[in-house]
Amino acid sequence: GAVVSQHPSWVICKSGTSVKIECRSLDFQATTMFWYRQFPKQSLMLMATSNEGSKATYEQGVEKDKFLINHASLTLSTLTVTSAHPEDSSFYICSAAKSNQPQHFGDGTRLSIL
Amino acid sequence: GEDVEQSLFLSVREGDSSVINCTYTDSSSTYLYWYKQEPGAGLQLLTYIFSNMDMKQDQRLTVLLNKKDKHLSLRIADTQTGDSAIYFCAEQNSGGYQKVTFGTGTKLQVIP
Repeated sequence: GAVVSQHPSWVICKSGTSVKIECRSLDFQATTMFWYRQFPKQSLMLMATSNEGSKATYEQGVEKDKFLINHASLTLSTLTVTSAHPEDSSFYICSAAKSNQPQHFGDGTRLSIL
Repeated sequence: GEDVEQSLFLSVREGDSSVINCTYTDSSSTYLYWYKQEPGAGLQLLTYIFSNMDMKQDQRLTVLLNKKDKHLSLRIADTQTGDSAIYFCAEQNSGGYQKVTFGTGTKLQVIP
């Protein structure tokens, strides 16, 4: 089946650091990639949707200058949390999909900001 | 916007069947999903159903879809302690970006 790899699995950083999370579709070319955020004991909230080669579409309330998304190829999207603070600590999950196909999710990245 | 609702908690005895229910509001859904999440882990896709299907069975899992009532259910037969987890229902719409909206999650507790 389709495999989506997310890296790193867990990162702990000091406040003020920028952190980059990678999402790769390993065995298919994804026309669209999605980034979600999950707070403890809560559901996933969509942050942004990105298509290869174009700017990401952010959901309402998500700061695009804070959460930079780059989708440089059909197999790679990155999310950079700039100048991260403790309130940015969360579980970030990406997914990838071909057009009109189900989304396939990565295993998630746990971000802990001290 | 789209809304997906689930009950928060379900407790069953080992060996019994579990039925987790989900309702949604988006009438233009294409796919409906069930995901499993164990503590501290990512999402595991259990199964999905295309919106023009009524039922899908995969080993111990049975998904029923009532599109008229916008009701989705997941039945787990012979529930095991390893099935204890949070189960998320999600629906994908047919819009250009195929947005997926997740439910609140149902915590399934299996009692030995």
